[in-house]
Amino acid sequence: QSVLTQPPSASGTPGQRVTISCSGSSPNIRDTAVHWYQQFPGTAPKLLIFNSDQRPSGVPARFSASKSGTSASLAISGLQSEDEADYYCALWDGRLNGPVFGGGTKLTVL
Amino acid sequence: QLHLQESGPGLVKPSETLSLTCDVSGASISSDTHYWGWIRQPPGKGLEWIGTFHHSGSTSYNPSLESRVTISVDTSKNQFSLNLNSVTATDTAVYYCARRVTSYNWRGYPEYCFDPWGQGTLVTVSS
Repeated sequence: QSVLTQPPSASGTPGQRVTISCSGSSPNIRDTAVHWYQQFPGTAPKLLIFNSDQRPSGVPARFSASKSGTSASLAISGLQSEDEADYYCALWDGRLNGPVFGGGTKLTVL
Repeated sequence: QLHLQESGPGLVKPSETLSLTCDVSGASISSDTHYWGWIRQPPGKGLEWIGTFHHSGSTSYNPSLESRVTISVDTSKNQFSLNLNSVTATDTAVYYCARRVTSYNWRGYPEYCFDPWGQGTLVTVSS
């Protein structure tokens, strides 16, 4: 089974740009799309980015994502206090025929 | 607007069967377009996929749970269910149902993610 690795925590101050990384090699991030979910305490995850860099309707443009080689990253620009949440990367494992999630990154806005 | 709502007992005894239902409104689970799934999250931990199904009968389960899991559908009620048997304390988690959606990557291949999710329901396994 594949493993997606995320830093357990990240932080930034209001207005700053913060990035959260996600790396994985089996299946290779290089070969498949990465999705990102945002989860506030006590609530369900919400799809934030799909297909590596696409934002669903309603997601602010200050959330962006990219992929390079075996790593992906989520960037939040103009950080706001309400961005404090857990962020999960995920990809679809064709061998599993199911998703694999990263361990999640807790973002703190200082 | 699509809405999913989980329901079921919040407390299950060890060795018994955990049974949850996901009520879907705003879309038909009989639609050929979408698959539906269950994901869980132990308290303070990350997300774990349980299984995915299509109303046609196509299912896939997480190999780590496959021997204990069954996902079924009741199209007349527009709901689907999760049964997880022989539960232990490690099955304590918030259980979410969600719709699987399809997009296409730069190669034209389908990619899948979950959107939206139900609000989740906490199931505690304890005697």
